[in-house]
Amino acid sequence: NAGVTQTPKFRVLKTGQSMTLLCAQDMNHEYMYWYRQDPGMGLRLIHYSVGEGTTAKGEVPDGYNVSRLKKQNFLLGLESAAPSQTSVYFCASSYSYQLAGEQFFGPGTRLTVL
Amino acid sequence: SQQGEEDPQALSIQEGENATMNCSYKTSINNLQWYRQNSGRGLVHLILIRSNEREKHSGRLRVTLDTSKKSSSLLITASRAADTASYFCATDVDNNDMRFGAGTRLTVKP
Repeated sequence: NAGVTQTPKFRVLKTGQSMTLLCAQDMNHEYMYWYRQDPGMGLRLIHYSVGEGTTAKGEVPDGYNVSRLKKQNFLLGLESAAPSQTSVYFCASSYSYQLAGEQFFGPGTRLTVL
Repeated sequence: SQQGEEDPQALSIQEGENATMNCSYKTSINNLQWYRQNSGRGLVHLILIRSNEREKHSGRLRVTLDTSKKSSSLLITASRAADTASYFCATDVDNNDMRFGAGTRLTVKP
């Protein structure tokens, strides 16, 4: 099993450009999450999904959109990138019916917005 | 806002010594988790302790939880150079939302 994979690994954008980060998991997990990690800070939840076709806002959702059209995929979109969105983005997934249980993380995407 | 805060921010020890990291949080929780992050990698789950548990062991890891003080500690015994990493505590804010602290950066010198 590949676990949680993220595409791409690195990306540089100019202010105002758009892009989509792809997360895929092969563990049949119901829950999926997108986090960002900035220097000196822990992970902050952007959006999450509790199942195919559902999404919800996390702690820092502004400037991002998500979609969960297939159970195994969770997409994070930046419509108009800003330098403040320079960060490392992590996707994670977890089993259903567990209260904030163990999450499995992808390797991360390092995004730089110039 | 961060829920958990780790202490210390950085810790440097010699191989074979024990490492203790602490986590304090603000609101009531259902469970608390500890994760490890090697440089440039994703987080890896270490251990989960529920609010009705006081201590839990996993190999060289020992986690304690004191809900009255809203704090937890992670003890790594007989540390190895491979334990060098950042360690994060995470607490559940609600059923689907976990909040992570800023982490403790542990360096184990060979």
